Amino acid sequence: NAGVTQTPKFQVLKTGQSMTLQCAQDMNHEYMSWYRQDPGMGLRLIHYSVGAGITDQGEVPNGYNVSRSTTEDFPLRLLSAAPSQTSVYFCASSYEGFGPLHFGNGTRLTVT
Amino acid sequence: AQKVTQAQTEISVVEKEDVTLDCVYETRDTTYYLFWYKQPPSGELVFLIRRNSFDEQNEISGRYSWNFQKSTSSFNFTITASQVVDSAVYFCALSGNTGTASKLTFGTGTRLQVTL
Repeated sequence: NAGVTQTPKFQVLKTGQSMTLQCAQDMNHEYMSWYRQDPGMGLRLIHYSVGAGITDQGEVPNGYNVSRSTTEDFPLRLLSAAPSQTSVYFCASSYEGFGPLHFGNGTRLTVT
Repeated sequence: AQKVTQAQTEISVVEKEDVTLDCVYETRDTTYYLFWYKQPPSGELVFLIRRNSFDEQNEISGRYSWNFQKSTSSFNFTITASQVVDSAVYFCALSGNTGTASKLTFGTGTRLQVTL
């Protein structure tokens, strides 16, 4: 039982490049979400999903896309990386709507 | 809109001291949930507690205790007899009755440094 797995752990991109941050969970959780963590700002919600095929925007969705084709996977796509997207990204899942979030170990992304 | 305020950016204590981390929240929802998470230097986020808005009983778990007061919109976290291993960033978070799930509003965190 691996919990929430994020890959890669570290990534450096040049401005304008695209990439996908992977997130997978093996707990059969319906609810999944992506947060970014920036110094002094806590964690902010990017996108979330309440089940396969259903996604919605969070607080800071611009520049990011998501899809949820299976219960297990919830990838986050950066369409055209910008230095403002330099951050630590956390994927999380939950077994119920207001349940505690189980977080992955994060992806540290640097955009130069 | 929901808001969580952790006014203490950084706290330093000496081991064995008691320390209280403050959390004040704003929400218009009648049903909501409050959380505390710990982020040790290794970077992972660890769930500590969830409390719903209808349960104002204080909770104690070992050296940790939580005081929830709806009258002041606060959900404070106390560590008794702090230890070096308690050094971490602690986040308070709020989830409201929006009809959707997994949408937490986090505070900006309090960095706790416990020294010998």
